[in-house]
Amino acid sequence: DTGVSQNPRHKITKRGQNVTFRCDPISEHNRLYWYRQTLGQGPEFLTYFQNEAQLEKSRLLSDRFSAERPKGSFSTLEIQRTEQGDSAMYLCASSLGLAGFYEQYFGPGTRLTVT
Amino acid sequence: AQTVTQSQPEMSVQEAETVTLSCTYDTSESDYYLFWYKQPPSRQMILVIRQEAYKQQNATENRFSVNFQKAAKSFSLKISDSQLGDAAMYFCAYRSQETSGSRLTFGEGTQLTVNP
Repeated sequence: DTGVSQNPRHKITKRGQNVTFRCDPISEHNRLYWYRQTLGQGPEFLTYFQNEAQLEKSRLLSDRFSAERPKGSFSTLEIQRTEQGDSAMYLCASSLGLAGFYEQYFGPGTRLTVT
Repeated sequence: AQTVTQSQPEMSVQEAETVTLSCTYDTSESDYYLFWYKQPPSRQMILVIRQEAYKQQNATENRFSVNFQKAAKSFSLKISDSQLGDAAMYFCAYRSQETSGSRLTFGEGTQLTVNP
């Protein structure tokens, strides 16, 4: 078990470009979450998947954002036509989806800087 | 919608001393979980302690304990015998057990400094 991994760790892009981030969850975890964290703030929920189904999306997830989780394994988060306001740390987390308590394990994040 | 508030942006403590971080939350639900997460400078979030709302007994994990006051909607974290490795950003978080989904709602965070 190597934990949740995210790639790339850092991304610098110019405004208007598209970017894609990848998250690899813990292998037996069927739930996967994306959060966004701006400097000095707590993470904000963006979306979550149970297996390959995207079950919930925040209003923060504008139409420029899209997330996928093909085959219920890794997930990608794409931002189209990036804006400076998209600069943030994008965190991925995964968990089991059993009844009762299930801890969300977080990855190290991808820091996006839009210039 | 649920909200979580941490009113202490920064706290400091001397090594080996005790510090308490505050958290309040707002919800109309009766069934939920509360968490404290630690985010060290490397920025990977780690779960410190959790509390089920239906449990009256306060959770304890080694040097970490909580004071859960359900009626007051207060959930503070006490760190005893503070160590240099406790220095981090601490986030209080809420998760509903009643509504669908598993989203965590985080507070703004408290930056804890531990002085040697």
